[in-house]
Amino acid sequence: GEDVEQSLFLSVREGDSSVINCTYTDSSSTYLYWYKQEPGAGLQLLTYIFSNMDMKQDQRLTVLLNKKDKHLSLRIADTQTGDSAIYFCARDGGFKTIFGAGTRLFVKA
Amino acid sequence: GAGVSQSPSNKVTEKGKDVELRCDPISGHTALYWYRQSLGQGLEFLIYFQGNSAPDKSGLPSDRFSAERTGGSVSTLTIQRTQQEDSAVYLCASSPPGSETQYFGPGTRLLVL
Repeated sequence: GEDVEQSLFLSVREGDSSVINCTYTDSSSTYLYWYKQEPGAGLQLLTYIFSNMDMKQDQRLTVLLNKKDKHLSLRIADTQTGDSAIYFCARDGGFKTIFGAGTRLFVKA
Repeated sequence: GAGVSQSPSNKVTEKGKDVELRCDPISGHTALYWYRQSLGQGLEFLIYFQGNSAPDKSGLPSDRFSAERTGGSVSTLTIQRTQQEDSAVYLCASSPPGSETQYFGPGTRLLVL
């Protein structure tokens, strides 16, 4: 809900880097997540970061966490048309995960 | 199975009817979650099971919604007297013991006419 906020849309050209940003208000989470949802499909966990880390890299994905500013970002290098999807930022809220509304990434060929 | 499965994948019903949505979690996963995703919205947490018990039911939108889990595995989400505003994608997720990482099913798309 409102606890986790992200912009609704992002448009990039194929081959460029995409940066999807997320802010949150509650800093008590141990984990922060990025999920991907392709059209007509469920959510797929892309990556996660422990709250005591600043950065995590996994192939084309780079997650940056700024705890002071409560800001999380996902960078996708060399964005491909197959990356077009909705990307959800989320944080663990005890027994439940609290999601943002999702950022729809459009990749132009 | 390899992942979380949900059935039916799509459901169209008339206002006022009851519907049952089913979730089969990944074998061995003890935690099970239900979420609702309305058009253009984020995920709304509904309920969480640890084993067969649900410590928190406060996310259920109204008393028309109920959920149960038997045998620590399959869960059923029931919506009674459906309303048009119940139309959404209902997602189920499960987590293995000791992990908070959730694995999602493909969802059930519910349309109430």
